[in-house]
Amino acid sequence: DAGVIQSPRHEVTEMGQEVTLRCKPISGHDYLFWYRQTMMRGLELLIYFNNNVPIDDSGMPEDRFSAKMPNASFSTLKIQPSEPRDSAVYFCASRDSLAGGLDTQYFGPGTRLTVL
Amino acid sequence: EDQVTQSPEALRLQEGESSSLNCSYTVSGLRGLFWYRQDPGKGPEFLFTLYSAGEEKEKERLKATLTKKESFLHITAPKPEDSATYLCAVRRGNTPLVFGKGTRLSVIA
Repeated sequence: DAGVIQSPRHEVTEMGQEVTLRCKPISGHDYLFWYRQTMMRGLELLIYFNNNVPIDDSGMPEDRFSAKMPNASFSTLKIQPSEPRDSAVYFCASRDSLAGGLDTQYFGPGTRLTVL
Repeated sequence: EDQVTQSPEALRLQEGESSSLNCSYTVSGLRGLFWYRQDPGKGPEFLFTLYSAGEEKEKERLKATLTKKESFLHITAPKPEDSATYLCAVRRGNTPLVFGKGTRLSVIA
């Protein structure tokens, strides 16, 4: 398997613009997670899905953030409008809850977002 | 609220100088403690899962141990390629992982 795939790898945008981050989980995984990583706060969970249904979005910082999972192989995280404080690395991870001893989260390479 | 605290924040070792990283946790009903390695510009890479106190797992120069309050990642005779940030995380049930802020390890040749 190719692992978790994220795009783009780098995004530079100006304040006020809409940003869309994309994620393709590992095939067969039933959980998908979006995290944000900064030096100050480390890895923070934003939202997660189980079988394409959002379970907990309490980590989403504010209404400017939204996430969707239209099918088992694709998810998006959208920021509209973007602000400089949104600059961070955004990670997607997936997990197979029925994998027994392999039941862990596998991360993508991340998207480095810079908002000017 | 589940909490994970890692220490030290940064550690600098000479090649071959063994040491340990600490992960202290507070979680009710632990369903797994996880160690990840993260290289600059990359996503966290899974290393180990520990499920119960007394459990140990090894991989090359790394050994992870678990007690009821903390986990240690022992690094024996480290090499420069072991330089990375090591992240600890816990899970309760089917909830997502809660991560510590990590320990940045530098191994100098």
